[in-house]
Amino acid sequence: QMQLVESGGGVVQPGGSLRLSCAASGFTFSTYAMYWVRQAPGKGLEWVAFIRYDGGHEYSADSVKGRFTISRDNSRNTLYLQMNTLRAEDTAVYYCAKSSSGGSGYMDVWGNGTTVTVSS
Amino acid sequence: SYVLTQPPSVSVAPGKTARITCGGTNIGSQSVHWYQQKPGQAPVVVIYYDSDRPSGIPERFSGSNSGNTATLTISRVEAGDEADYYCQVWDNSNNRYVFGTGTKVTVL
Repeated sequence: QMQLVESGGGVVQPGGSLRLSCAASGFTFSTYAMYWVRQAPGKGLEWVAFIRYDGGHEYSADSVKGRFTISRDNSRNTLYLQMNTLRAEDTAVYYCAKSSSGGSGYMDVWGNGTTVTVSS
Repeated sequence: SYVLTQPPSVSVAPGKTARITCGGTNIGSQSVHWYQQKPGQAPVVVIYYDSDRPSGIPERFSGSNSGNTATLTISRVEAGDEADYYCQVWDNSNNRYVFGTGTKVTVL
C-alpha cells in the first residue's frame, strides 16, 4: 500500500537548520507531485511547499520563502525539506503528502508527521 | 492573499446533518478539497474536486461549491465523525495552496 514516512525532526535552536526527509513506497514516486504541510501545536493546517513530479516547479509559502527549500530525489523515492534560519514560530508537526497528480491536485496520501521544535 | 473562512465549531446530534461552510471570494470558480483530521492523526481527504468522494469514505459525506461558499455536508452523523475538518484550494493567482481555518465537529 502507499506509504509516506517522515524523519529528521528534532529540537533545534533559533537560527539553526534541519533537513526533513520523506520516504515514499507503494507507488511510482517519480510521477506524482508532493507537498509539505505543517501544523503548529493546537493550530490548523498550513501549506509549506510544493514540488512537481519532476522537480521542475517549486512553490513555497510566504512564511518560509527564502528559508526553506523543497527538493526530491526520484531515484531514492525521497522528498526533502531543507529548513534554515529556523524561528520559534516554525515549531510544528511537519507532514509530507502526495498529490493526486503530477501537478497540483488534492493530497491523497499523508505521512504520520515529524515534530520540529525550535527553542533555546 | 486568499483567505478561506470556516466556523470554528459545529455541534450536531447523532443521526442529524452537519453542514460545514468554507467562505472565500468567488470560491465557486475553484476546486475545493476537504480533509478530516482526528486527534493525534494525519489528515485524510474526504471530498475532492468539490464533490467527489474517495473510495472508503461513506456516502454520508458530500460536498458542494457555488458563489462564495463551499459546503461539506455530513448526513446521519455518527460519533466517529467527530474531528476537525479543513477546506483547501489552490490559489493559482499567487501559486500557493490555502487551507481554511478549520472547523471542529462535536457530536452531542
